[in-house]
Amino acid sequence: GDSVTQMEGPVTLSEEAFLTINCTYTATGYPSLFWYVQYPGEGLQLLLKATKADDKGSNKGFEATYRKETTSFHLEKGSVQVSDSAVYFCALSNSNYQLIWGAGTKLIIKP
Amino acid sequence: EAQVTQNPRYLITVTGKKLTVTCSQNMNHEYMSWYRQDPGLGLRQIYYSMNVEVTDKGDVPEGYKVSRKEKRNFPLILESPSPNQTSLYFCASRPRLAGGRGNEQFFGPGTRLTVL
Repeated sequence: GDSVTQMEGPVTLSEEAFLTINCTYTATGYPSLFWYVQYPGEGLQLLLKATKADDKGSNKGFEATYRKETTSFHLEKGSVQVSDSAVYFCALSNSNYQLIWGAGTKLIIKP
Repeated sequence: EAQVTQNPRYLITVTGKKLTVTCSQNMNHEYMSWYRQDPGLGLRQIYYSMNVEVTDKGDVPEGYKVSRKEKRNFPLILESPSPNQTSLYFCASRPRLAGGRGNEQFFGPGTRLTVL
């Protein structure tokens, strides 16, 4: 079945460091891909998305490119801030319109 | 303001005492869903509903019931809660048709349930 695999956390970085959180997927057809973020004590909210191959989603300085050849959707940010500390979820929407979730990656940014 | 609301936000109960967690959305979305979030397991779907009076099981439906009598409401019912249902629960909604697979899903703030 369809699945999403993302790197285990926690990921701990210093402020202004470069961030990469890896996400790979398995799916038939052409899924849409998402990154959601969960700040402490809150629900999930959409961070960015891409709906077809080679699309780049971006928001709040974060970027991710839909790579069909490597079935990946890695999340990147050039300079992280303490306020970026959160749990990040990679997800795909498959041909049945179901959202398949990764396990989440906790990001900790130290000042 | 467009939102998904859940109540209660926090609940501590005892084994076997029936409870209901309410979920309501004001965006006229057809699709609604319940998830549970547990450490290391990510989000697991419990039940979902494509429209009024249409519900289907997700990945972990055992021990839960849902109903969809109105478009805006999608309550989650635990008839006889057990300690393994201690978890963080999220309700979510999205439009079913327009935009297809690219649609954003909107989440409620979560309900933290503890079953003793």
